[in-house]
Amino acid sequence: NAGVTQTPKFRILKIGQSMTLQCTQDMNHNYMYWYRQDPGMGLKLIYYSVGAGITDKGEVPNGYNVSRSTTEDFPLRLELAAPSQTSVYFCASTTVTEAFFGQGTRLTVV
Amino acid sequence: ELKVEQNPLFLSMQEGKNYTIYCNYSTTSDRLYWYRQDPGKSLESLFVLLSNGAVKQEGRLMASLDTKARLSTLHITAAVHDLSATYFCAVPFYNQGGKLIFGQGTELSVKP
Repeated sequence: NAGVTQTPKFRILKIGQSMTLQCTQDMNHNYMYWYRQDPGMGLKLIYYSVGAGITDKGEVPNGYNVSRSTTEDFPLRLELAAPSQTSVYFCASTTVTEAFFGQGTRLTVV
Repeated sequence: ELKVEQNPLFLSMQEGKNYTIYCNYSTTSDRLYWYRQDPGKSLESLFVLLSNGAVKQEGRLMASLDTKARLSTLHITAAVHDLSATYFCAVPFYNQGGKLIFGQGTELSVKP
């Protein structure tokens, strides 16, 4: 059982570049989430989804986009990367009783 | 506004001492999660509290939930160095669209 898989684990982007962070879960969970964690800080919710075809903004959505075409996949898109988006990104999927996290993507924008 | 607040944010303890971390949240939810995070790592699930009055214990850690007070506690008994980590609570607000909101985290350092 792979759980929640995020790719890539590390990435360096130049200012203005774009990229997609991939997140896949194999547990058939409806709820999926993207968070960012800045150094020494907590997790801030970027976007979330309650099922395929349904997404909504979290606390810090600006500069990001998501899609949810299947139950398994919840990619996060960064358009026009900025230094303020340097962070560690975590994807999670949940049932009503537990949340499962990916291993994180460490992104640096230079 | 959905808020989850932890205190303290930093906690330096001596081995063998007891302490409690508090987690307050702003609006109705019937469950709460506690996580541990070691530096550079992902989050490790500690406890899932599913109802008012729920109490769970694992080793030196015990968590409780009071949904009426919108408060959870994580109690540490006889701390040891291995408990040094950052602890997060998280509240799923299913009646607010399904958001899962985290507290700021409590950085715990246990010294000999």
